[in-house]
Amino acid sequence: KAGVTQTPRYLIKTRGQQVTLSCSPISGHRSVSWYQQTPGQGLQFLFEYFSETQRNKGNFPGRFSGRQFSNSRSEMNVSTLELGDSALYLCASSLVSGETQYFGPGTRLLVL
Amino acid sequence: AQKITQTQPGMFVQEKEAVTLDCTYDTSDQSYGLFWYKQPSSGEMIFLIYQGSYDEQNATEGRYSLNFQKARKSANLVISASQLGDSAMYFCAMRELESGGGADGLTFGKGTHLIIQP
Repeated sequence: KAGVTQTPRYLIKTRGQQVTLSCSPISGHRSVSWYQQTPGQGLQFLFEYFSETQRNKGNFPGRFSGRQFSNSRSEMNVSTLELGDSALYLCASSLVSGETQYFGPGTRLLVL
Repeated sequence: AQKITQTQPGMFVQEKEAVTLDCTYDTSDQSYGLFWYKQPSSGEMIFLIYQGSYDEQNATEGRYSLNFQKARKSANLVISASQLGDSAMYFCAMRELESGGGADGLTFGKGTHLIIQP
């Protein structure tokens, strides 16, 4: 069974731009979560989607948004990028909420 | 207060030795899950082992075992017979299943950088 895939793997943007990251969960998994990893703040929960509904959101500004499609694929969008948004963005999927999460390889975003 | 504390920022261990990575947690929930993940330099988080708060037996997965001491709120990862490929960052994580209904995501510790020396 294929694992979680994320595209793109690397991304360079400039301040003020917006970016969309994509995540395809493991086949059959309906829950997708997003995390931001930075050297300073570590791993932080962004949000979780289940059955196309956002279940909860971490402590991030409204510039961070996401959605989930009927096939469980998810996208994350960051608008008006700031230098501090430079991070590794990790997507994880699970069968349902609360089950073990399996992570993708991540998208490394650099904001210049 | 930190919910997950990993007190060892880095560890050097000789190949084939056993390794214990420390993790303590803080929660008022009775129902929660504890996880360990491995993150090589490539960045991908690899799931290693899971322990539920109501599980009476310590979890084991191959060379990995979780030393779960509920009263002490401790969930240490034990790697037996370490290998060079075990060199990576290791993260302890918790998911509280009551307060957020499981929807608050995983809370991670700061991690331990494990280096296995030949």
